[in-house]
Amino acid sequence: ELKVEQNPLFLSMQEGKNYTIYCNYSTTSDRLYWYRQDPGKSLESLFVLLSNGAVKQEGRLMASLDTKARLSTLHITAAVHDLSATYFCAGSETSGSRLTFGEGTQLTVNP
Amino acid sequence: DTEVTQTPKHLVMGMTNKKSLKCEQHMGHRAMYWYKQKAKKPPELMFVYSYEKLSINESVPSRFSPECPNSSLLNLHLHALQPEDSALYLCASSQERTGGWETQYFGPGTRLLVL
Repeated sequence: ELKVEQNPLFLSMQEGKNYTIYCNYSTTSDRLYWYRQDPGKSLESLFVLLSNGAVKQEGRLMASLDTKARLSTLHITAAVHDLSATYFCAGSETSGSRLTFGEGTQLTVNP
Repeated sequence: DTEVTQTPKHLVMGMTNKKSLKCEQHMGHRAMYWYKQKAKKPPELMFVYSYEKLSINESVPSRFSPECPNSSLLNLHLHALQPEDSALYLCASSQERTGGWETQYFGPGTRLLVL
């Protein structure tokens, strides 16, 4: 059974700083997803990582995947207040129909 | 267009009521999902429909009854719910890929309160 662990669960950072959220998973995952959720809102798909060494970037966010270490990271560069949200990583076994989510990282970016 | 719509946005119901949640997508996705999300927790998968057939039921109590009338529409019928069923109910859909399913796109959710 796939298990996904994120850390940290809470992250408070200042604008302009860099930080990384870590996502470890327990068994082989078909692919690794990152989602963003604003308070009271739905989940927005950020990245899907398909293979070892995959790196994707969108604005100030960069996601990477190391399948050998069973680790994905979400790196935040020069944080801005608008990035404040909860970030979930999720893995899927084989077909991708069953997502296993991490507990989420609640990010607060302070001015 | 990656839009999944859900109605209603908010729902308050008593424990003896019967109500339904509706989810719609027009992206041609052939898999649709129901999730339940409690505050400050990740979404929990409830049901998966693929090609309009129920493929996964995560041991959900029978007071939740899913229905997929066609490839664009997914309903969740609610009956005799308990206060602990109060949550955000999210619908998602995904398109087929070789050997499985692509990224799941989520709707805005229905916030349910059971009194």
